[in-house]
Amino acid sequence: DTEVTQTPKHLVMGMTNKKSLKCEQHMGHRAMYWYKQKAKKPPELMFVYSYEKLSINESVPSRFSPECPNSSLLNLHLHALQPEDSALYLCASSQEWSYDTQYFGPGTRLTVL
Amino acid sequence: SQQGEEDPQALSIQEGENATMNCSYKTSINNLQWYRQNSGRGLVHLILIRSNEREKHSGRLRVTLDTSKKSSSLLITASRAADTASYFCATGQVDSGGYQKVTFGIGTKLQVIP
Repeated sequence: DTEVTQTPKHLVMGMTNKKSLKCEQHMGHRAMYWYKQKAKKPPELMFVYSYEKLSINESVPSRFSPECPNSSLLNLHLHALQPEDSALYLCASSQEWSYDTQYFGPGTRLTVL
Repeated sequence: SQQGEEDPQALSIQEGENATMNCSYKTSINNLQWYRQNSGRGLVHLILIRSNEREKHSGRLRVTLDTSKKSSSLLITASRAADTASYFCATGQVDSGGYQKVTFGIGTKLQVIP
């Protein structure tokens, strides 16, 4: 099973809302990632979780907050987002955080009004 | 600037023809991967080629890597309409802590006309 699942598929939220994106994998992978992809642009890495250690792309604003409840789950908490945060949010996982293929989920299409 | 830059940015071919996409990068890498993305959906991993490899094959896909020129190419032979998608190269660099940073290029949008 090489599947990474993401929920919800689509999310529309206002700038004052708090919402969460969820990502799950059951491949026993030890590294999980969040990417942001704007239309017609490549994915940009936001966060990496590996062995319970978080690595952050320092350009990511604090209104995005990742949480790793266990090794199979990775959430992305959203608060006070801006319209420019509207994008496709992709989750991925890999066996280890080095030299490894990343397996991507289908993404969550986020629209911030 | 982008670590990986694909060329061309858009490519339109007839079904049955071969499609070649190129990727150039600027710094040394540990590996290079090619991914495919259908419109607005998740990425599908195609091939990973390590820095000490020069060529890899997978079905109708052939990837080459020239580290001296800092470039890679993806060849899709006998293209099908279902190959229509965006194709991204992604370079992997491992830092001193053993952690891999993956940087995606801007992508090539391939259209295969039936």
